[in-house]
Amino acid sequence: DTAVSQTPKYLVTQMGNDKSIKCEQNLGHDTMYWYKQDSKKFLKIMFSYNNKELIINETVPNRFSPKSPDKAHLNLHINSLELGDSAVYFCASSQNRDTDTQYFGPGTRLTVL
Amino acid sequence: AQSVTQLGSHVSVSEGALVLLRCNYSSSVPPYLFWYVQYPNQGLQLLLKYTTGATLVKGINGFEAEFKKSETSFHLTKPSAHMSDAAEYFCAVADRGSPLGRLYFGRGTQLTVWP
Repeated sequence: DTAVSQTPKYLVTQMGNDKSIKCEQNLGHDTMYWYKQDSKKFLKIMFSYNNKELIINETVPNRFSPKSPDKAHLNLHINSLELGDSAVYFCASSQNRDTDTQYFGPGTRLTVL
Repeated sequence: AQSVTQLGSHVSVSEGALVLLRCNYSSSVPPYLFWYVQYPNQGLQLLLKYTTGATLVKGINGFEAEFKKSETSFHLTKPSAHMSDAAEYFCAVADRGSPLGRLYFGRGTQLTVWP
């Protein structure tokens, strides 16, 4: 059983398109996150949700909109894709404590042409 | 905001040699400290973490790290490298009392293990 899963694994699209990445965790965790890993492998948090409530919203363009239909799912919708959005996007989850281990999904490699 | 520095973006060792990956943090208040490993085309996996208590922390796959407050460091070591250790290693910190789970990552160190 995969603990944190993401779909799709690869996403290739044209500039200007709208796309979504889905994330699901079966660990029963209360908190979920989205991270962006750039071409130099630098990881930066984008959003976090706790029990469907937005907790962290970093300086991310408002073309990026997370949606959490329930605490096991956190999806990322991206409007009007730009070349600079090309990256690997990781979903993660943890229990409701700041020292808790974050469990990462396998990542979604987004390529914008 | 926290700053995490990993000295050396690439480290190469021979199989059986000591592995030492360096990590320093910037805050005056010791944060929570983590080491994650990323194998090719995979997500990150926790190796070990320090939150409180004993400053020498043991993790999976024979890795350990020591928190040194005076040096604001949390270096990762393994006595004897194995080919399977080749991966990207990330040091990360979280402020005590910060919003839930805000991790600040270093820029990573690529470990190569030669036969």
